[in-house]
Amino acid sequence: EVQLVQSGPEVRKPGESLRISCQVSGYTFATSWIGWVRQMPGKGLEWMGLIYPGYSDTRYSPSFQGQVTFSVDKSINTAYLQWSSLKASDTAIYYCARQRGSKVLGAFDIWGQGTVVTVSS
Amino acid sequence: IVLTQSPGTLSLFPGERAALSCRASQSVGSTYVAWYQQKPGQAPRLLIYDVSTRATGIPDRFSGSGSGTDFTLTISRLEPEDFAVYFCQQYGTSRLTFGGGTKVEIK
Repeated sequence: EVQLVQSGPEVRKPGESLRISCQVSGYTFATSWIGWVRQMPGKGLEWMGLIYPGYSDTRYSPSFQGQVTFSVDKSINTAYLQWSSLKASDTAIYYCARQRGSKVLGAFDIWGQGTVVTVSS
Repeated sequence: IVLTQSPGTLSLFPGERAALSCRASQSVGSTYVAWYQQKPGQAPRLLIYDVSTRATGIPDRFSGSGSGTDFTLTISRLEPEDFAVYFCQQYGTSRLTFGGGTKVEIK
């Protein structure tokens, strides 16, 4: 069974750093793009960007470029989303999702359960 | 590409037909649209990709259609478990975007 399991909820203060994770199983990690999607409280879905674990190629939405960093550790089939300096406006649920097919653009067929990030002083 | 979903909320009885609209600000092409269902407290679930292909395990009461700038998700007969929020997504350009969502609620 294909699964994406995300790390647990996080509470941080503004200005702090954070890295959340997404561990995959049930398929070859290196061969499918992983996307990150933000959902702010009570709002819709926002595409943050993609990473290809095979060679760590990344594509960032202009809205998130320079604000976050995607990375992977192929040895443990895990993708990461990282902030160096959080803002209160980063409070949201963050989802990782596998992109179906091998093309750089596609639908997300398997989703993680989401990680709730709360940034508050 | 901006995706505009309408209506914002659709109030229907179980057993009725639902038609959800997704309009793009410019052409997406004929293939690059997906639909997702999201229930409270859950992650989105892929229903339809490539405009009209049902994802694995999705019942055939869900269907997708459209091309260019106008796309539709149709639920032929609403089951109790179908009351949820639905999002469209385009992946025809290098910047993927989602629509704002349509909530399908029980009347």
